Amino acid sequence: NAGVMQNPRHLVRRRGQEARLRCSPMKGHSHVYWYRQLPEEGLKFMVYLQKENIIDESGMPKERFSAEFPKEGPSILRIQQVVRGDSAAYFCASSPVGTYANEKLFFGSGTQLSVL
Amino acid sequence: GQNIDQPTEMTATEGAIVQINCTYQTSGFNGLFWYQQHAGEAPTFLSYNVLDGLEEKGRFSSFLSRSKGYSYLLLKELQMKDSASYLCAPQGGATNKLIFGTGTLLAVQP
Repeated sequence: NAGVMQNPRHLVRRRGQEARLRCSPMKGHSHVYWYRQLPEEGLKFMVYLQKENIIDESGMPKERFSAEFPKEGPSILRIQQVVRGDSAAYFCASSPVGTYANEKLFFGSGTQLSVL
Repeated sequence: GQNIDQPTEMTATEGAIVQINCTYQTSGFNGLFWYQQHAGEAPTFLSYNVLDGLEEKGRFSSFLSRSKGYSYLLLKELQMKDSASYLCAPQGGATNKLIFGTGTLLAVQP
């Protein structure tokens, strides 16, 4: 039973390029969450998605960032025109039935984005 | 709004006991999680509290006081492998999401 799979593990982009981060939730999980972690900082919530729906995007920057979780395939976090400040570890987590009480999140190993 | 406060770093000795405190303010509070994160790895679930009191799970215990907005994680019989960041995460807000504190980096020394 595979866990949450994220790829790529490491991603290097030059300023102005696009970054696409992928997350496949655990089998049977239909809720996905994206968090960003800067060096020596905590996990910052970005967005919470269910299949084909964005439930909560209160942590997403207003520009250049978007996320989707299509009916088929992985969830994608897309960052357009990357800047150096986007360099961070991006973690994806999944849960089977959403954020009901005591429903813990299972995390992937993260994608380390480096912007040159 | 939401605010979470926990110490940035702690040091303890192998075999000892350490308590990591967390205070929080969050709207629509619905429970609190503790996660462990080793450097460069994914956070992993440790414990969950929704009612006041102590939850014990092997060497790890977690306490919650809802009225005080306070929780702690207690680690007993410390081992070198317990060196990691410990993340306090209250659950709440309009969509009941987990909001993480900055974490406490614990260093276990021989």
